[in-house]
Amino acid sequence: AQSVTQLGSHVSVSEGALVLLRCNYSSSVPPYLFWYVQYPNQGLQLLLKYTSAATLVKGINGFEAEFKKSETSFHLTKPSAHMSDAAEYFCALAGTALIFGKGTTLSVSS
Amino acid sequence: KAGVTQTPRYLIKTRGQQVTLSCSPISGHRSVSWYQQTPGQGLQFLFEYFSETQRNKGNFPGRFSGRQFSNSRSEMNVSTLELGDSALYLCASSFTGTDAAGYTFGSGTRLTVV
Repeated sequence: AQSVTQLGSHVSVSEGALVLLRCNYSSSVPPYLFWYVQYPNQGLQLLLKYTSAATLVKGINGFEAEFKKSETSFHLTKPSAHMSDAAEYFCALAGTALIFGKGTTLSVSS
Repeated sequence: KAGVTQTPRYLIKTRGQQVTLSCSPISGHRSVSWYQQTPGQGLQFLFEYFSETQRNKGNFPGRFSGRQFSNSRSEMNVSTLELGDSALYLCASSFTGTDAAGYTFGSGTRLTVV
C-alpha cells in the first residue's frame, strides 16, 4: 500500500537558519511526489513536485527537495528561513488520489 | 488565469441538516477531487470526478456524495450532518487527475456543524 510519513509534527527554527522537513514514502511503483504549503485558513499551494526527471527539485520561495530512491525519502529544505515561511507543510504521493502525510508545522522565530 | 473557486468560504449548519458545497475548477481542467481536512485525521480523500463520472472514491459513508456538471464544476453534498463532519473541505482540480502536473487547490469551505 502507498503511504507517506512526515517525521516531526512541529519544527522550530530561527530566522536565517536551515529548514529541513522530512518526508518518507512507500510505493510499489515509481512515485510522483509533491510538497504543498498551507497558510492559516487557506488552501494548499504547490511548492514543488518530483516526476522522475531530476532528483533535485527546485520550487518556489527558495525551497528545494531531493528524491532519494534508496532511502525512500523526499525531504524539503531551504537554506535560510524567513518569517513568512511559517506555515504547515504537507508531503504527498500521487496514487488514485493524493495521499498526504500528517503535516509539519514550521515555526520561525526572530 | 483564474484559480479554483470554492463557495461558500464559511458555513454553519445544524446537526441533521444537509449541505451543498461548490467548486469551480481551473478552465480546461476536467478532474475535480474533494478532500476533507480535520485536525485529527488530516487530509482525507473523498472522491474524484472526471468528465461528469465519479472515477475514484475514498472511505467515507454514503452521506457524502458529489456530482460534476458538463462545465466541470462540481458539487459535494453531505446529508444528515454530524458534529464530526465539521472540517475544512478542499477541492482540487487538474487536467486529467492522474498527471504529474499536480493539483491546484481552492481555498476551501470551512463547515461547522453545531
